[in-house]
Amino acid sequence: NAGVTQTPKFRVLKTGQSMTLLCAQDMNHEYMYWYRQDPGMGLRLIHYSVGEGTTAKGEVPDGYNVSRLKKQNFLLGLESAAPSQTSVYFCASLSGGAAYNEQFFGPGTRLTVL
Amino acid sequence: QQQVKQSPQSLIVQKGGISIINCAYENTAFDYFPWYQQFPGKGPALLIAIRPDVSEKKEGRFTISFNKSAKQFSLHIMDSQPGDSATYFCAASIENSGYSTLTFGKGTMLLVSP
Repeated sequence: NAGVTQTPKFRVLKTGQSMTLLCAQDMNHEYMYWYRQDPGMGLRLIHYSVGEGTTAKGEVPDGYNVSRLKKQNFLLGLESAAPSQTSVYFCASLSGGAAYNEQFFGPGTRLTVL
Repeated sequence: QQQVKQSPQSLIVQKGGISIINCAYENTAFDYFPWYQQFPGKGPALLIAIRPDVSEKKEGRFTISFNKSAKQFSLHIMDSQPGDSATYFCAASIENSGYSTLTFGKGTMLLVSP
């Protein structure tokens, strides 16, 4: 099992460009999450999904969109990148259905917006 | 409003010493308190977790102490080793909310000197 994988690992964008980050999990998990990590800020939830076809806003959703067309994939889109979106992005998944489950994190995508 | 406050921001401990990281929360609905460990360049991984019906949980050298009345919990690392050098995040969630979203503290960078 690969667990949670993220594509790409690194990316540099210019202001105004768009891109999509892909998260894939092979654990048949129901729930998936996108976080951003900034120095001194911890991990902040951007968007999440509790099942195929569902999405919901987290703590810092502005400037991002998501889609969960397939259970195993969760896409994070930046329509018009801004320097404030320079960050490390982590995807996580959780099996759901039972209490006190572990969120499994991917290796992260380091995004720089110039 | 920061719902989970973590301290200290950074910590240096000598090999063999005890590392202590503290967290405080505000939302009394939180019912699951995990600690995540993150090594440089990697995604966070669950280290240990506790529910509010117990005051302490121990796994090897790692112990969580939980004080429900004070709304505080802490991570103790006994006999700290250089391999424990990492960033540690406390978190809290409401497991019966149907979302299982985690609210993270801002993290503590631990350095264990040889």
